[in-house]
Parts: sequence; structure tokens; C-alpha cells
Amino acid sequence: SSELTQDPAVSVALGQTLRITCQGDSLRSYYASWYQQKPGQAPILVIYGENNRPSGIPDRFSGSRSGKTASLTITGAQAEDEADYYCMSRDSSGYHQRLFGGGTKLTVL
Amino acid sequence: EVQLMESGGGLVQPGRSLRLSCAASGFTFDDFAMHWVRQIPGKGLEWVSGISWDSGGIDYADSVKGRFTISRDNAKNSLFLQVNSLRIEDMALYYCARASGSSDAFDLWGQGTMVAVSS
Repeated sequence: SSELTQDPAVSVALGQTLRITCQGDSLRSYYASWYQQKPGQAPILVIYGENNRPSGIPDRFSGSRSGKTASLTITGAQAEDEADYYCMSRDSSGYHQRLFGGGTKLTVL
Repeated sequence: EVQLMESGGGLVQPGRSLRLSCAASGFTFDDFAMHWVRQIPGKGLEWVSGISWDSGGIDYADSVKGRFTISRDNAKNSLFLQVNSLRIEDMALYYCARASGSSDAFDLWGQGTMVAVSS
């Protein structure tokens, strides 16, 4: 079956810009969505579709896609952005099938 | 308030069954497809199953196919996951999630219900 690959960990200095990537064949056909999860909390959606933010998500979060790679960019990382980030996409094996990446732990220094 | 609330988790022995529930409130439940996602503590998210608004379309992860059954009752604004033949590796926090009406994303999550499997 398909899979989505993420780097396990990324660190960034406060106020700097970082990019978290997600690779997988499904991304050639479907957009990724991105989820932020802080310890002890449920995930929340931060980016979906081509580059859309749900209400309440700061505009420092943005998304993009090129080929089989999707990216989540945080421009000017804040301390509160420290969390685990997961990508997800549809899987071609079924309309409701979904794939999650393994997650990237973001540390803000 | 728009929310999802899971229940039904607990400690069970391997091979036994549980029925997880997810109560939806604050939105028109039957406008949305719904999903179950699980997370072993300290590990990543794993998609488990999804169901269309009218139960006409259902998918499962290979890891649970044949053992888990997703269903919904739109009249009661509720989503269910019948988990049978539980294995140690099924031990996880189970979240229900709402599929966005305009994309493939999950735009609303519950807080999860824990399933522990131990003899």
C-alpha cells in the first residue's frame, strides 16, 4: 500500500522560517492536509487543499505541493508552534481511504 | 458548540470486543462523512475507517479489515466503531473526526477514547 514519509524531527530558532515535508505517490493526485498536535491534545487542522487555513490558524502557516512532495511552511516560528505535525492525504485504493505520514516533531529553540 | 465526543473505551482482554461511540453536536451530522483515527500513546496517527454521510460508502485500513465495523445513526447524530477480536496492537487512543465538506481533510476532532488490551 502507499505511504507518506516525513522527517522525524525538525528544529528552528524562534522567529525563523522552516519547512516540513511529506513525500508519497498519493500526493501526485491528492492534496495533503496538515495537522498540529500538542502533547495530551487532539490534532487540529492547520492547512488543507491547495493552501487553505481554517479559521483561527495564523497566516504564518502555509502549504504547497510539487510532484510527490507536499510542504508545510511556518514563516516566523513562535514558541507555541512547538508540536508534532502530521500530513495526510487520500489514498487511491478507496474514496474514504486516508494515509498519514509518520509525523514530524518541531522544536522551537 | 460544534464538537465530537467519543466514549466506550476501556480495558479488555485479547480476543474480546468493544463498541466505540462518537456523539456529534452543534452541526448537521448527516452533511458529513466521518472517520476513525487511532494513536498508540507516543506514536503517530493511523487512519482506521471512514463512512459516507449515508453509509453508502465505507473503507477500512488493512490492519482492521474483517475485525472492525464502522456505522452511523444520523437520527441520533452518532458514529460507531465495533471492534472485534481485539489484539495487543489495537491498544490506542481512538479519535473520531469529521471530514471537511469541501476537501479531503478532517476539520473537527474529538478528544478520543482509550482502548487498552491486556490479559
